[in-house]
Amino acid sequence: EVQLLESGGGLIQPGGSLRLSCAASGFTFSDYAMNWVRQAPGKGLEWVSIISGSGGSTDDADSVKGRFTISRDNSKNMVFLHMNSLGAEDTAVYYCAKDRVNYISSWYYFDNWGQGTLVTVSS
Amino acid sequence: QSVLTQPPSVSAATGQKVTISCSGSSSNIGNNYVSWYQQLPGTAPKLLIYDNDKRPSGIPARFSGSKSGTSASLGITGLQTGDEADYYCATWDNTLSGGRVFGGGTKLTV
Repeated sequence: EVQLLESGGGLIQPGGSLRLSCAASGFTFSDYAMNWVRQAPGKGLEWVSIISGSGGSTDDADSVKGRFTISRDNSKNMVFLHMNSLGAEDTAVYYCAKDRVNYISSWYYFDNWGQGTLVTVSS
Repeated sequence: QSVLTQPPSVSAATGQKVTISCSGSSSNIGNNYVSWYQQLPGTAPKLLIYDNDKRPSGIPARFSGSKSGTSASLGITGLQTGDEADYYCATWDNTLSGGRVFGGGTKLTV
């Protein structure tokens, strides 16, 4: 059974930094691209970042480009989201989501999601 | 404002059928697969339909997906109170940075 468990969320001041983690189990981790998707309070889903199975390719939404960095450690079955220069607009539940494929150049669907971790940016 | 347009809300009685629409364009739905996600209150999204009309293991046949041109639809028959949730369509958009787009979501009230 696929399991994705996010951690690292919390209250952070504007302009601050935070690192989210996602621990994966139940599948061959390096065979799949991994994503972060967020959901602001009362709002819809927004894709944030993706990293290929090898970790060699990444892509980010324009809203976070230059501020957020996705990375992974295939030896530990972990994916991370490094968030800098946080603003109120980044307040959201952040979900880790498993991709169907290994690459990032196209997309089909997210077949498994974690339970999410809440990031609140406020002074 | 998403490039995929869904009605904000739909409602129907238990036992009835409902259809949720997702409208896009040739750069997204028209040339790419559509997936649908169910988000029950207070929980994470769950894959409901993939590749336009396929159901993952464990998803009841009451849920169905279809696509025609630049629009897609999610159908739910035999509505149950447990189906009350937010439903999101999603696809790849060839013109957008990152490509992965969701509709704005539809709140289903049973």
